Amino acid sequence: NAGVTQTPKFQVLKTGQSMTLQCAQDMNHEYMSWYRQDPGMGLRLIHYSVGAGITDQGEVPNGYNVSRSTTEDFPLRLLSAAPSQTSVYFCASRPGISGNTIYFGEGSWLTVV
Amino acid sequence: SQKIEQNSEALNIQEGKTATLTCNYTNYSPAYLQWYRQDPGRGPVFLLLIRENEKEKRKERLKVTFDTTLKQSLFHITASQPADSATYLCALDINNAGNMLTFGGGTRLMVKP
Repeated sequence: NAGVTQTPKFQVLKTGQSMTLQCAQDMNHEYMSWYRQDPGMGLRLIHYSVGAGITDQGEVPNGYNVSRSTTEDFPLRLLSAAPSQTSVYFCASRPGISGNTIYFGEGSWLTVV
Repeated sequence: SQKIEQNSEALNIQEGKTATLTCNYTNYSPAYLQWYRQDPGRGPVFLLLIRENEKEKRKERLKVTFDTTLKQSLFHITASQPADSATYLCALDINNAGNMLTFGGGTRLMVKP
């Protein structure tokens, strides 16, 4: 059972480039989310989805887009990367019921130069 | 402003002692609180969930308390071991809808042999 899988693990982008961070889960979880983690800032919610076709903004959504065409996949798109988006990104999933355990991926380290 | 505060300074303790970590929050009335462990370069891993009507929760050497009057949770590791060295994060569902799990900045625990 793979759990939550993120790719790529590491990425360097130039300012203005676009890219997509991939996230897939094989647990049939309804809820998926993306967080970024910066030193001293903790994990901050970017976007989340409560099911296929439904997405919503979290605490820090600017500069990021998401879509949820299937239950399994929840990609995060950076349309025009900025140095402020240098961070570690974590994808997470959870069964739909509130209060259940959240399962995190291993993270994607992104550097924007 | 709404905040979740954890001691940002590392906690250094001797092997065998009890480690106590604190999570304080303001302006929330969460239905539950979660604790996660994060090792360097890895994603957070769920440890314990405690609900608002529970004063204490135990799992092996771990114990969590939840005081909704003080707006505080304490996380204890008894008989600590060097393998317990990690960063520990607390998290609240700030709107109790299951969509907005908000994390504290984490406290790094170092257990010395």
